[in-house]
Amino acid sequence: DAGVTQSPTHLIKTRGQQVTLRCSPKSGHDTVSWYQQALGQGPQFIFQYYEEEERQRGNFPDRFSGHQFPNYSSELNVNALLLGDSALYLCASSLETRYNSPLHFGNGTRLTVT
Amino acid sequence: AQSVAQPEDQVNVAEGNPLTVKCTYSVSGNPYLFWYVQYPNRGLQFLLKYITGDNLVKGSYGFEAEFNKSQTSFHLKKPSALVSDSALYFCAVRGMDSSYKLIFGSGTRLLVRP
Repeated sequence: DAGVTQSPTHLIKTRGQQVTLRCSPKSGHDTVSWYQQALGQGPQFIFQYYEEEERQRGNFPDRFSGHQFPNYSSELNVNALLLGDSALYLCASSLETRYNSPLHFGNGTRLTVT
Repeated sequence: AQSVAQPEDQVNVAEGNPLTVKCTYSVSGNPYLFWYVQYPNRGLQFLLKYITGDNLVKGSYGFEAEFNKSQTSFHLKKPSALVSDSALYFCAVRGMDSSYKLIFGSGTRLLVRP
């Protein structure tokens, strides 16, 4: 049973560039959430996708956008990268009908902005 | 505003001794509480959750947590620590009025010495 998979594992970008991160949810899951974990901090909620729509968003600027595909996989896009965007980006999946079931996290994508 | 506090950056304990990792929360309504563990260069792994019912919750790897509504706390415990328990531990809360996002604490590093 495949868990949550994220790609790439590491990425180095230059300030001002754009980046796309990818996530495949755990088999059977239909909801994908994205979190940003800066060094030494807890994960911060970016947004959640369900039925190909963003249904809740955290306190992140519009430079952060996403997409969910019919197969439930998801992308996180960040435009006009800033040095402060350097972080571990975590994707988590869950099943909508089991509201309080725990999130299943991938191993993350480590983004470094220089 | 909803929040989670983990007052200790690091907890040190000898192998075989009991351990406690502290967590307090602030949320409107009844909280849904979770503990996750993170090993180096990995995503978060679910340990246990409190939704309702018995205040003592048992989870994975011998961990348990006690929900205390009057003190708004949800401390993680284990009767006998293992060196392999050394990792970063996160407490998280989902309030009833923030339907989909988890709010994480800043994390507590647990170091179990042989």
